[in-house]
Formats: sequence, C-alpha cells, structure tokens
Amino acid sequence: EPEVTQTPSHQVTQMGQEVILRCVPISNHLYFYWYRQILGQKVEFLVSFYNNEISEKSEIFDDQFSVERPDGSNFTLKIRSTKLEDSAMYFCASSDWGSNTGELFFGEGSRLTVL
Amino acid sequence: AQSVTQLDSHVSVSEGTPVLLRCNYSSSYSPSLFWYVQHPNKGLQLLLKYTSAATLVKGINGFEAEFKKSETSFHLTKPSAHMSDAAEYFCVVSASSGGSYIPTFGRGTSLIVHP
Repeated sequence: EPEVTQTPSHQVTQMGQEVILRCVPISNHLYFYWYRQILGQKVEFLVSFYNNEISEKSEIFDDQFSVERPDGSNFTLKIRSTKLEDSAMYFCASSDWGSNTGELFFGEGSRLTVL
Repeated sequence: AQSVTQLDSHVSVSEGTPVLLRCNYSSSYSPSLFWYVQHPNKGLQLLLKYTSAATLVKGINGFEAEFKKSETSFHLTKPSAHMSDAAEYFCVVSASSGGSYIPTFGRGTSLIVHP
C-alpha cells in the first residue's frame, strides 16, 4: 500500500540553526501539507502546496518557514532559524482531491527538539 | 469556513464497555468527515471516513460513526472497548470550497481504557 514517508524521525538542533524536514508524498497525489503538533496540543495546519506553489498558509507559517518540492518527489519544510517554540512533531500529508474526499494520508512524523 | 468541535478532551471507559467520542462540525459546504487515531509516539492513522455516501460508516478495529446532518454531528462509537484502543482521537472536517482544500482538525479526545 502506498504511504507517505518522512525523514528524519527525530532531530535535535540548537536554537538559531536551520532545519530541513523531508517528506515523500504518495506519488499520484497533487496536494501536499505540513501540520504541526506541539506536545499535548492540537494538530495545527501550517501550509498547503499545489501545482508547485503554496496554496494556503496559516499565521504560524511566517517568514522563517519555507516549503519546496525540489525534484518532483520530495516535499521539504525548512525552518531557517529555529526557536525553542518550534519544538513539535511535524506531520507531512498528501491528498488526492480527484476523488473529492479530502482524505489526508499522513507520514509518521518528524519530531523536532530545539535546545 | 469550517470548524470542528470535539466535546470531550478526555473520555474514560472500562474495558468491554461502549465508547462514545463526540464531534460536531460546521461547514458552509457538503463536508467530508474523518476520524483519525494517534497512538502514543505514533503517526496519524485513518479510522474511518464519511464522503456523502452511507451515513453510517464502519471503520477499522470495530469503530463506526454516523453522520447526522440535522445535528451537524459525526460521533465515533465502538460497542466494546479494548485496552489497545487507548489513544488520541481526532475528528477532521474537509470540504473543497472556494478553492480551499484545508482539512481542519478538532482538538482531540484522549480515550482512556481501564482494565
């Protein structure tokens, strides 16, 4: 069964460092998402990506965040200068709106710890 | 606009007794509705989905949910809880409307199962 894969599963970084989280969505999906879950809190939408550009973003997704689909398979989330409050689990998801259901297929998540 | 309200942050049941996790939604368009489960330190797994077909939806692990448009509800039930059901459950609403394809999460309900 096709699945979304994310790397790394866990990353520890120092405050102010750049971090890149990687995702490989399901190959025939066209919509890609990043969500964030701070420990013990709800799952929050960060950004959606379609047709090689950002389609929507939340207020959380400020200038320190960026997304890219560099090679047609990977979908990356970059945090330029990490802050303590960026510590969270980051989930990548993809969706096939061709069936018009909006079901999200999630990766296992990347846990980011900022020290 | 769309939103999801999960009415209980925690639900505690004894093993073998019924489970009810409540979810109400708001959507300007015909929604798709989902329940996802998250076990500790794991990713998000789809339990079941409603996509405008049968209003009673059966999912994995004996869970089911009923879409009630008049009550704008999509409550999750299971006749008999098992210890392995202990997890966080998220209700999600999704609707393609006005170009927005952003699934929205509820805050989550933590299911606790006592022996």
